[in-house]
Amino acid sequence: AQKITQTQPGMFVQEKEAVTLDCTYDTSDPSYGLFWYKQPSSGEMIFLIYQGSYDQQNATEGRYSLNFQKARKSANLVISASQLGDSAMYFCAMRGLYSGAGSYQLTFGKGTKLSVIP
Amino acid sequence: DVKVTQSSRYLVKRTGEKVFLECVQDMDHENMFWYRQDPGLGLRLIYFSYDVKMKEKGDIPEGYSVSREKKERFSLILESASTNQTSMYLCASRLGLVQETQYFGPGTRLLVL
Repeated sequence: AQKITQTQPGMFVQEKEAVTLDCTYDTSDPSYGLFWYKQPSSGEMIFLIYQGSYDQQNATEGRYSLNFQKARKSANLVISASQLGDSAMYFCAMRGLYSGAGSYQLTFGKGTKLSVIP
Repeated sequence: DVKVTQSSRYLVKRTGEKVFLECVQDMDHENMFWYRQDPGLGLRLIYFSYDVKMKEKGDIPEGYSVSREKKERFSLILESASTNQTSMYLCASRLGLVQETQYFGPGTRLLVL
């Protein structure tokens, strides 16, 4: 079984500052993928960044980076230079990377609501 | 660009009605998914399909069924809608490769009265 924990229900950040959203996970799968999604108030889930458990380097996508610490089972999202448009819910998710029905399913955390203050 | 569309953004139905939620993707993805999202409960998987005419139950399939007759279309069916099925429904698709992420549609907010 897999479990994702996001301990911050809500966070505030000043515009142009960096913010870290926490995500810890638990899994027995030897190989797995970690994902972050953004959900604005419109409702659509937008894929932000992916990290494979086998990747040696932390993933980066523009202003998003993933601080992956395998031994601690954490996959925190770092947003640099926050913008007003970053205000949204952020979800951490994971799934096993192997053949079989269990690998299809994404397990999501409960999310963190980020508010960017002008 | 990846595109997943859902037939309605907002839907209001009566208890006992049969409800169809449609999802279409234009990326030739093999896998498609239906989730529901509720405050405090996060996203929960209802059903998924890994290929045409194939379906698998997710975590909360009770009260729902699905249909996938064509690769691009995945339908979620509420045979007899109930008030506890009032929720946000999100469809997603994935190419099928091991590392590929899921891409989501805009969601359908369903209210059952």
